[in-house]
Amino acid sequence: KAGVTQTPRYLIKTRGQQVTLSCSPISGHRSVSWYQQTPGQGLQFLFEYFSETQRNKGNFPGRFSGRQFSNSRSEMNVSTLELGDSALYLCASSSGQGLDEQFFGPGTRLTVL
Amino acid sequence: SQQGEEDPQALSIQEGENATMNCSYKTSINNLQWYRQNSGRGLVHLILIRSNEREKHSGRLRVTLDTSKKSSSLLITASRAADTASYFCALILTGGGNKLTFGTGTQLKVEL
Repeated sequence: KAGVTQTPRYLIKTRGQQVTLSCSPISGHRSVSWYQQTPGQGLQFLFEYFSETQRNKGNFPGRFSGRQFSNSRSEMNVSTLELGDSALYLCASSSGQGLDEQFFGPGTRLTVL
Repeated sequence: SQQGEEDPQALSIQEGENATMNCSYKTSINNLQWYRQNSGRGLVHLILIRSNEREKHSGRLRVTLDTSKKSSSLLITASRAADTASYFCALILTGGGNKLTFGTGTQLKVEL
């Protein structure tokens, strides 16, 4: 099975812009979760989508949003970018049927200037 | 906020030695998972231990869980240079759904 893919791998944006990141889960997996990793805050949960519905949400402002398509692919959008949004954004794929292991993609490195 | 605290923050050992890292947490969990991350790349799942289990093995990895002390440890035996990475414990909290709550991580360096 192919692993989790994320595009793009690297992104440079300026403050105030918006960005969309994409994640394709492992075939057959219906749950996609997003995480933000920064040196200061570590790994933090953004949200989880299961069968096109947001099932769980972390403590991030409304500028962070996401969606999931019928083929389980997910996108994450960040509007009005701030310098502090510079981070590695990771998505994780799982079956979503139980509380099992999650498989992570390589991440998207976002730099906000 | 992160619920898992790991120690040590950094660990440097020689190839062939064992490496032990610990994770402590504060609330009730459904399961605890360990992940490895190489140089800011994606996370690789290592092992999952459920709250009703005390010990699990996978190859050179041994994980223990003590729910009464709210702590877990990851032992890597006969370390290799390729084990150099950051290791994170991640909690599935009771009632928290599929959300992983990560620890602060241990940076392991295995020297030749």
